[in-house]
Amino acid sequence: DQQVKQNSPSLSVQEGRISILNCDYTNSMFDYFLWYKKYPAEGPTFLISISSIKDKNEDGRFTVFLNKSAKHLSLHIVPSQPGDSAVYFCAASLNRDDKIIFGKGTRLHILP
Amino acid sequence: ETGVTQSPTHLIKTRGQQVTLRCSSQSGHNTVSWYQQALGQGPQFIFQYYREEENGRGNFPPRFSGLQFPNYSSELNVNALELDDSALYLCASSLEGNSGSNTEAFFGQGTRLTVV
Repeated sequence: DQQVKQNSPSLSVQEGRISILNCDYTNSMFDYFLWYKKYPAEGPTFLISISSIKDKNEDGRFTVFLNKSAKHLSLHIVPSQPGDSAVYFCAASLNRDDKIIFGKGTRLHILP
Repeated sequence: ETGVTQSPTHLIKTRGQQVTLRCSSQSGHNTVSWYQQALGQGPQFIFQYYREEENGRGNFPPRFSGLQFPNYSSELNVNALELDDSALYLCASSLEGNSGSNTEAFFGQGTRLTVV
């Protein structure tokens, strides 16, 4: 039973435009949410996180939005760059010290 | 680069054999977690070690076991290998405690295990 769902296996976006990656979760006890980026032959790299007391967190080109009532979060990348092409994992945990539950990932292709 | 290193990078084993995977955590980190990533899936939590003791376990059978050493490096052992154990095994280290200086989990590059 997937507690963290990424329903789009892949997404293609033109360079310079906005990339929006979506994620839904089922466990209302999740308190901490993260996005990781993964290139082939590398481990996941932490991108950005948000705690449940916030609805937005921004770091440079990356912004994460959290809608607790809808149990939905999204990652916005603007402007998208070729180096952003990777697999993006949405993840959640009960708190910062707890195990991380990952979604299946969304492969983002940035088109020239 | 995160400073978390895993060895070996690739490994081929026969069904029924045993395997040990190793992880050196990032300097200053006291917690190590292990994840299994099957093809087309996200990483799945196996277990976590904090100060040399198991501190949480996912839905994996007892033939998956681990150790954490005083220098916070760690091993993952899998006995009686099955074909379905073929996956990328990821180690992640973090700093956890009551000081409020908890860090995010930083992952190594993984060990690709193939069971034939």
